[in-house]
Amino acid sequence: GAGVSQSPSNKVTEKGKDVELRCDPISGHTALYWYRQSLGQGLEFLIYFQGNSAPDKSGLPSDRFSAERTGGSVSTLTIQRTQQEDSAVYLCASSLDKWNIQYFGAGTRLSVL
Amino acid sequence: EDKVVQSPLSLVVHEGDTVTLNCSYEVTNFRSLLWYKQEKKAPTFLFMLTSSGIEKKSGRLSSILDKKELFSILNITATQTGDSAIYLCAVEEYGGSQGNLIFGKGTKLSVKP
Repeated sequence: GAGVSQSPSNKVTEKGKDVELRCDPISGHTALYWYRQSLGQGLEFLIYFQGNSAPDKSGLPSDRFSAERTGGSVSTLTIQRTQQEDSAVYLCASSLDKWNIQYFGAGTRLSVL
Repeated sequence: EDKVVQSPLSLVVHEGDTVTLNCSYEVTNFRSLLWYKQEKKAPTFLFMLTSSGIEKKSGRLSSILDKKELFSILNITATQTGDSAIYLCAVEEYGGSQGNLIFGKGTKLSVKP
């Protein structure tokens, strides 16, 4: 694909509901990252996938957050029992491998009411 | 504590002005420093710097790294309204647990006509 694609671009949900955010990386990129950007904050690392290796989950803020990457391509970030503090822009990035430039998608703006 | 600190946090200039954005860092196993421009949502890659004293240049933008003093600057000459964006600095660290990019909070640049 031409770039990293994320969907939906905007998501409004009620507190307590589960949400799924999708990321389609650049074709051929083995590394995929999820970040969260809250208002006035820098990008906060959430999780990293590299090929078929076990993901680096060290940035996930709680056990309500999980992610998977099927077939080494598309990734889904799931937030269970959403809270208002989960409201943020969720950005996905991919790179050719771990030590290459990360290219970002346009993100999903999540609003939890 | 913040490992990557950007200054100023926001800046307002007029078209034609020259601006300098600062990024200082403190990481143990430095690999590289990256600059991104974020308009709306998707950060777009500008520069990757690995060696001290070598200027990277692209049009009106340039950047340089000082590995002894642990900082980088991003210069924009003859600013245009299209330069209005958040400029993000990120440091790549070997063996880090935060994926491999640690971001600063960004500098919000507003260029007035």
